[in-house]
Amino acid sequence: GNSVTQMEGPVTLSEEAFLTINCTYTATGYPSLFWYVQYPGEGLQLLLKATKADDKGSNKGFEATYRKETTSFHLEKGSVQVSDSAVYFCALWGNEKLTFGTGTRLTIIP
Amino acid sequence: GAVVSQHPSWVICKSGTSVKIECRSLDFQATTMFWYRQFPKQSLMLMATSNEGSKATYEQGVEKDKFLINHASLTLSTLTVTSAHPEDSSFYICSARDLQGTNEKLFFGSGTQLSVL
Repeated sequence: GNSVTQMEGPVTLSEEAFLTINCTYTATGYPSLFWYVQYPGEGLQLLLKATKADDKGSNKGFEATYRKETTSFHLEKGSVQVSDSAVYFCALWGNEKLTFGTGTRLTIIP
Repeated sequence: GAVVSQHPSWVICKSGTSVKIECRSLDFQATTMFWYRQFPKQSLMLMATSNEGSKATYEQGVEKDKFLINHASLTLSTLTVTSAHPEDSSFYICSARDLQGTNEKLFFGSGTQLSVL
């Protein structure tokens, strides 16, 4: 079946630091890939997505590129802010359902 | 944007009682809703897919008689944990699929923390 392996947290960074959260997947066919974010006390929100190989999803300064050759979809941001503190989930859509990674808790300190 | 309301946000109950969790799509019609369960430091695990007006489809290993799902309208799905036991304590999250959207337009509730004593 499909699976997503995500970098374990928690991750703590200083403001303006560079962020990478690794995500790799195993799937049959050609899944769509996503990053969701969950801010404290809120539901999951779609952060960005990519639907085919070499696509780059981007939003709010975050980027992730769909790499079929390495089955990866790493999340990056060049300069994080305190407001980016949240839990981030990598996910794939395949077989009519979303499969999630374990989530990575990110804390940004001023 | 689309909003999904999940209620209650937390509940504590005695072992052997039943607990109902509601998931409502507030500004769109959701023909499909999904129920997930999350253990601490683990993934969201899909429990079942609920389609309006039909029986839910449960994932392997999920007891359908224990986790009753009803999706009687296009804006409401409920999950009832029957005869709850401490091992049912978990974080439950629903998501709703926008009727107008593509496969990827899923909106999530904020979750329900269930603690069974």
